[in-house]
Amino acid sequence: EVQLLESGGGLVQPGGSLRLSCAASGFTFSSYAMSWVRQAPRKGLEWVSAISGRGGSTSYGDSVKGRFTISRDNSKNTLYLQMNSLRVEDTAVYYCARNLPQTAAAPYNWFDPWGQGTLVTVSS
Amino acid sequence: EIVLTQSPATLSLSPGERATLSCRASQDVSGYLAWYQQKPGQAPRLLIYDASNRATGIPARFSGSGSGTDFTLTISSLEPEDFALYYCQQRSHWPTFGGGTKVEIK
Repeated sequence: EVQLLESGGGLVQPGGSLRLSCAASGFTFSSYAMSWVRQAPRKGLEWVSAISGRGGSTSYGDSVKGRFTISRDNSKNTLYLQMNSLRVEDTAVYYCARNLPQTAAAPYNWFDPWGQGTLVTVSS
Repeated sequence: EIVLTQSPATLSLSPGERATLSCRASQDVSGYLAWYQQKPGQAPRLLIYDASNRATGIPARFSGSGSGTDFTLTISSLEPEDFALYYCQQRSHWPTFGGGTKVEIK
């Protein structure tokens, strides 16, 4: 069974940093691009960032470009999101998701499955 | 950025009724549109990809259609577990999501 498990969320002050992790299992992790997608409280979904299977290609949404960094460790089957210079508007549940189809370059994908999400709250 | 507009915002129906959800793109996305279902406190679940293909394990009562800028998700006969939020997403350009349609019990 394919599983994605996020961790690392919490409360942080504006301007602070946080690192999210996503542990993957049940599939060949290095063969798939991965993404982070977020959902602000009672709001819709926003794609944040994507990374290719081998990690050589990354992409970011305009709202996080220059502040967030996506990375992966294929030896640990783990995806990361380093978030710096956090703003109140970054408050959201952050989901990691597998990118499909494999034949499409990230981020031109749909997302399946998704993890259960981790809540990031940016507040003073 | 491609904007996806979903309508209606809320759909009030009874179990057994047919649900028709719409998603309109601000630019041509060809057939590169997906639909997700989200229940309270849960992550989104992929239902339909590339406009009309059901994802693994999705019941046949869910179907998708459309191309270009206009897409439809149809639930042929609503089951109690189908009352939820539904989002569309395009992958023709950098991914964007629609604002969602809530299917609620009438």
